[in-house]
Amino acid sequence: DGGITQSPKYLFRKEGQNVTLSCEQNLNHDAMYWYRQDPGQGLRLIYYSQIVNDFQKGDIAEGYSVSREKKESFPLTVTSAQKNPTAFYLCASSQAVVGGNEQFFGPGTRLTVL
Amino acid sequence: SQQGEEDPQALSIQEGENATMNCSYKTSINNLQWYRQNSGRGLVHLILIRSNEREKHSGRLRVTLDTSKKSSSLLITASRAADTASYFCAAHTGGGNKLTFGTGTQLKVEL
Repeated sequence: DGGITQSPKYLFRKEGQNVTLSCEQNLNHDAMYWYRQDPGQGLRLIYYSQIVNDFQKGDIAEGYSVSREKKESFPLTVTSAQKNPTAFYLCASSQAVVGGNEQFFGPGTRLTVL
Repeated sequence: SQQGEEDPQALSIQEGENATMNCSYKTSINNLQWYRQNSGRGLVHLILIRSNEREKHSGRLRVTLDTSKKSSSLLITASRAADTASYFCAAHTGGGNKLTFGTGTQLKVEL
């Protein structure tokens, strides 16, 4: 059953704590992405990775960190430096194709800071 | 920054009617994609139109692209209650596979 999974579905954290969101794909895609979505808004790119062991900052990388040690995994850490972390986080993956390609999305993780 | 701006922000129609959503973007694109999102879920890819294409069809979906006006439209024909969702355009603008998403149109199809 191919796809992209995110866990957990809901996550609660206290202020000042770091938290890591999981993203796994078995689609053999080279590229992976993390987006943040706030209520009634579009998606904003946090980080992306086009190949293992390499990643780049997106538009809103401050307060977040990522790693890409395996092709199928791209975890996102929300650090205590992120001022307003409560949001819906979406992970996606795609084939790295010149000219661009469709992205496949996971079901999302809703993070709430208490 | 948001590349795409969608219009209208919200749309309510009766089942069987057509729904049209518009997207405007700011810079040159390689392709323009449309996605659908049901409430609280991930996005699902609907259709991709390349910068050298003007129109594309997929089932009940029709997408047009006008690069001179930097705009695209998504038409859903013979809408169904199950089409109720948010629809986003996303612009692919340069190297790599980054997409820049619009703010979305919330479509409600009533029985």
